[in-house]
Amino acid sequence: RKEVEQDPGPFNVPEGATVAFNCTYSNSASQSFFWYRQDCRKEPKLLMSVYSSGNEDGRFTAQLNRASQYISLLIRDSKLSDSATYLCVVTFNNAGNMLTFGGGTRLMVKP
Amino acid sequence: IAGITQAPTSQILAAGRRMTLRCTQDMRHNAMYWYRQDLGLGLRLIHYSNTAGTTGKGEVPDGYSVSRANTDDFPLTLASAVPSQTSVYFCASSAVAGNTQYFGPGTRLTVL
Repeated sequence: RKEVEQDPGPFNVPEGATVAFNCTYSNSASQSFFWYRQDCRKEPKLLMSVYSSGNEDGRFTAQLNRASQYISLLIRDSKLSDSATYLCVVTFNNAGNMLTFGGGTRLMVKP
Repeated sequence: IAGITQAPTSQILAAGRRMTLRCTQDMRHNAMYWYRQDLGLGLRLIHYSNTAGTTGKGEVPDGYSVSRANTDDFPLTLASAVPSQTSVYFCASSAVAGNTQYFGPGTRLTVL
């Protein structure tokens, strides 16, 4: 089983829709959580960190559920420019704080 | 230079040849990383360096070596390239290990 798992998608949604992605992690010795965004043939870029209390950045909301070992990303009012692959990233205490990446979830927003 | 740069952008290489991928950052970050990204496998850590003068092995280190002679540079060397090393290689850095990582634009390597 992969340490960080995501549904690869693609999620095809119309503009204006609300879409949510989940990510599960297998190691309870987890420390930090992030969502990265990667556009086609580009490098990953930090979208937002995920805090225990949940956090929001504009149309994006991230939540963490430690008991069930998953994090989520909610995108409201989807834009065409949101089309990308979203990578779930976790650091584990017993892995030297190295970032472990999920395989990514691809989102395609259609007009 | 602003941020993190990689060279070359892309390269086609004959099997058995030696190749060094370059990575330079100007953010004075202590930690640097090399990943490869393959379809269906996501990003996998090859080697890392938490500070200048130290390096460590990641998930897939075989066939690769790194050095960290100074803070800014973290070259990745393929001593004798094989076709399975065909991939997109990303270099990244963070202020300290475990913090947010910033990625370079990547190097597309094809080994024939």
